[in-house]
Amino acid sequence: SQTIHQWPATLVQPVGSPLSLECTVEGTSNPNLYWYRQAAGRGLQLLFYSIGIDQISSEVPQNLSASRPQDRQFILSSKKLLLSDSGFYLCAWSAVSTDTQYFGPGTRLTVL
Amino acid sequence: AQSVTQLDSQVPVFEEAPVELRCNYSSSVSVYLFWYVQYPNQGLQLLLKYLSGSTLVKGINGFEAEFNKSQTSFHLRKPSVHISDTAEYFCAVSDLGGSQGNLIFGKGTKLSVKP
Repeated sequence: SQTIHQWPATLVQPVGSPLSLECTVEGTSNPNLYWYRQAAGRGLQLLFYSIGIDQISSEVPQNLSASRPQDRQFILSSKKLLLSDSGFYLCAWSAVSTDTQYFGPGTRLTVL
Repeated sequence: AQSVTQLDSQVPVFEEAPVELRCNYSSSVSVYLFWYVQYPNQGLQLLLKYLSGSTLVKGINGFEAEFNKSQTSFHLRKPSVHISDTAEYFCAVSDLGGSQGNLIFGKGTKLSVKP
């Protein structure tokens, strides 16, 4: 069966520091991968999606970037965090040509 | 462009009472529809989905939803809720044929079940 992992579970970082959040999927090949941010009162905002290695699309202009160094690894990064980057970050995957997404446990990021 | 509206941001209900969480969508094409549940500090878990076929869809934990194309709605129902159903519920829509499978989510409805 497929599983999705996110690391770390929680993170507290100072403004201006770098960020790296990791997402890995097991039990499937060539998944579509997604990064979402969930901020209070704003629902889920799609940040990035990827249909393959080095094929990443950004949905909104922001202080963040994403990379996919391996087929089942998706990384969310920032060079300098802002207060507004605080939130709950969710990674998800879906099989190719399907619309059902499966979510990881999330990372709670607090920028102080 | 597609959009999803969850009409109630919060729904309080007593244990063993029925509940309906409302979801309306707008889209110019045929869609797939989903309900997800999120427990505090956890990821989203798929409750049920409508892709095609019967408009009444049954999901996990005793929930069901009915797709109504004429009213562009996909309301979630449960005949008798438990304390453990307290969570936030998200409705989502995806247009058919979207190659990257992007979902548009509503803002969520917080269900609070009281004893």
